[in-house]
Amino acid sequence: KAGVTQTPRYLIKTRGQQVTLSCSPISGHRSVSWYQQTPGQGLQFLFEYFSETQRNKGNFPGRFSGRQFSNSRSEMNVSTLELGDSALYLCASSLTGHNTEAFFGQGTRLTVV
Amino acid sequence: QKEVEQNSGPLSVPEGAIASLNCTYSDRGSQSFFWYRQYSGKSPELIMFIYSNGDKEDGRFTAQLNKASQYVSLLIRDSQPSDSATYLCAVTPYGGATNKLIFGTGTLLAVQP
Repeated sequence: KAGVTQTPRYLIKTRGQQVTLSCSPISGHRSVSWYQQTPGQGLQFLFEYFSETQRNKGNFPGRFSGRQFSNSRSEMNVSTLELGDSALYLCASSLTGHNTEAFFGQGTRLTVV
Repeated sequence: QKEVEQNSGPLSVPEGAIASLNCTYSDRGSQSFFWYRQYSGKSPELIMFIYSNGDKEDGRFTAQLNKASQYVSLLIRDSQPSDSATYLCAVTPYGGATNKLIFGTGTLLAVQP
């Protein structure tokens, strides 16, 4: 059974640009959550999707957005990139809508220069 | 007060010993509790989850939950050098149907051969 797949694995972008990251959850999983990991702040929750609906959003500016498609695949977008957006972006996949185990993808390493 | 607190370590134990990792949380309504292992440069890997008070054992790992005292711990028996990693405690907060996770900053475990 394939795990969570995130693409691309690495990205280098310039300040002011925008970026789109993709996540394919484990087959049959309907919940996708996104996290940002930095050395200073650790793992921070960005948002959560279930059945194409955003259910929760973390404390991030509106430049961070996401969506989920009918096949449960998810994308997140960051517009007007800032140097501080450099981080490892992780997607987690869960089978059901609540209180179930979350399995992480390999992450996308974003560097903003 | 941070929502989920862990001692950052490093926690150094000799090979074959028991490693004890602790975590406290502030939200008394927290629903589910997870332990992830993260090797340097890799994504978090789920190793244990626990929902009810008491102990849960899986191989060399035992998770312990005490909701009255708001702490959760992870014991690793017969520690091996390959267990050297950062261990992240995560909780699902109170608030209805969600898979959102709030993470501690992690404890670095070093198992000495």
